[in-house]
Amino acid sequence: RKEVEQDPGPFNVPEGATVAFNCTYSNSASQSFFWYRQDCRKEPKLLMSVYSSGNEDGRFTAQLNRASQYISLLIRDSKLSDSATYLCVVNANTGGFKTIFGAGTRLFVKA
Amino acid sequence: DAGVIQSPRHEVTEMGQEVTLRCKPISGHDYLFWYRQTMMRGLELLIYFNNNVPIDDSGMPEDRFSAKMPNASFSTLKIQPSEPRDSAVYFCASSFRWANYGYTFGSGTRLTVV
Repeated sequence: RKEVEQDPGPFNVPEGATVAFNCTYSNSASQSFFWYRQDCRKEPKLLMSVYSSGNEDGRFTAQLNRASQYISLLIRDSKLSDSATYLCVVNANTGGFKTIFGAGTRLFVKA
Repeated sequence: DAGVIQSPRHEVTEMGQEVTLRCKPISGHDYLFWYRQTMMRGLELLIYFNNNVPIDDSGMPEDRFSAKMPNASFSTLKIQPSEPRDSAVYFCASSFRWANYGYTFGSGTRLTVV
């Protein structure tokens, strides 16, 4: 089992749709969680951190469920410019710092 | 802030040649990471430094790979000799306090070994 697993994708959605990405992690000692966005042939960029209480940034909402070891990202009113790969990232300190990137889920938003 | 700066952006080299990739982290960041990304394997951590000291190099594929951080504002990743299977995008990233604030990545070096 992979340490961080994401929906395989790709997701193809029309503009204005709501899309949700899911991510599960296996290490219960994981401490911090993030969503990154990576455009084609570009570097990953931090989209948002994920907190236990849930957090929102405009059209984006991230949630964390520690009991189920599950992270989600919701994008409302999707735009063409949201087309990218979304990476789930988990940090753990298990005798040494360890960051695990998920394989990413590709999103295509179409007009 | 100029962000994490990597050079060169693209490198094409012949098998057997030495390749040196360079990185300037964000000022004040105490962690520096080198990652490699390929379609098949995704993002792989090669090595990371804390306050210029290498902490974990278990991801470095072979002895052909070496990394240094002589000061807080500069790091290199060297491949000698290079092989076609080293072709990938190499990213440098830096962060403050590692886990708390996420990483900032450089724009990457796209390496092609022919």
